[in-house]
Amino acid sequence: DAGVIQSPRHEVTEMGQEVTLRCKPISGHNSLFWYRQTMMRGLELLIYFNNNVPIDDSGMPEDRFSAKMPNASFSTLKIQPSEPRDSAVYFCASRWGGTGELFFGEGSRLTVL
Amino acid sequence: KQEVTQIPAALSVPEGENLVLNCSFTDSAIYNLQWFRQDPGKGLTSLLLIQSSQREQTSGRLNASLDKSSGRSTLYIAASQPGDSATYLCAVWMDSSYKLIFGSGTRLLVRP
Repeated sequence: DAGVIQSPRHEVTEMGQEVTLRCKPISGHNSLFWYRQTMMRGLELLIYFNNNVPIDDSGMPEDRFSAKMPNASFSTLKIQPSEPRDSAVYFCASRWGGTGELFFGEGSRLTVL
Repeated sequence: KQEVTQIPAALSVPEGENLVLNCSFTDSAIYNLQWFRQDPGKGLTSLLLIQSSQREQTSGRLNASLDKSSGRSTLYIAASQPGDSATYLCAVWMDSSYKLIFGSGTRLLVRP
């Protein structure tokens, strides 16, 4: 299996621009997580999907952030408009069921100038 | 509120040493516990998942133990190698859904 696949790996954009991060979970996994990692705050859960349905989005910082999972093999995290404080590494992770291991993608490093 | 602590925050050892990384948690009512490693600029790699009914798990040179009653887990690395240098993160699953609480990690350097 190819693992969790994220794109782009690196994104540099200017404040105010729209950013879309993409994730392909491991085939057969029915739970998908978006995390954000910064030096100051560590790993933060942004949103959790189960069977393509958003279950908890309480970690999404503001209305500027939105996430979708149109099918079992694809999810997006969108920031519009982006701000410098959104600069971080964004991770997507997936697992099967309620007892399986959580597997992370390589992350998308976002820099907002 | 569950808190996960990892001690030490950083560790430097010569190659070949056996070492132990510690993880403690304040609420013993955990579901599972998972150990990860993270290399600089990379994602988290799952090392071991210990189910709540288990006491330990082994994978190669790694052995992780879990003592829920005392709120502790240890990750034992045998015969350490420079390639083991990374940050090791402990995380506890609070239930079967999605609540995963991470420790702040132990940064390990294995010197050749």
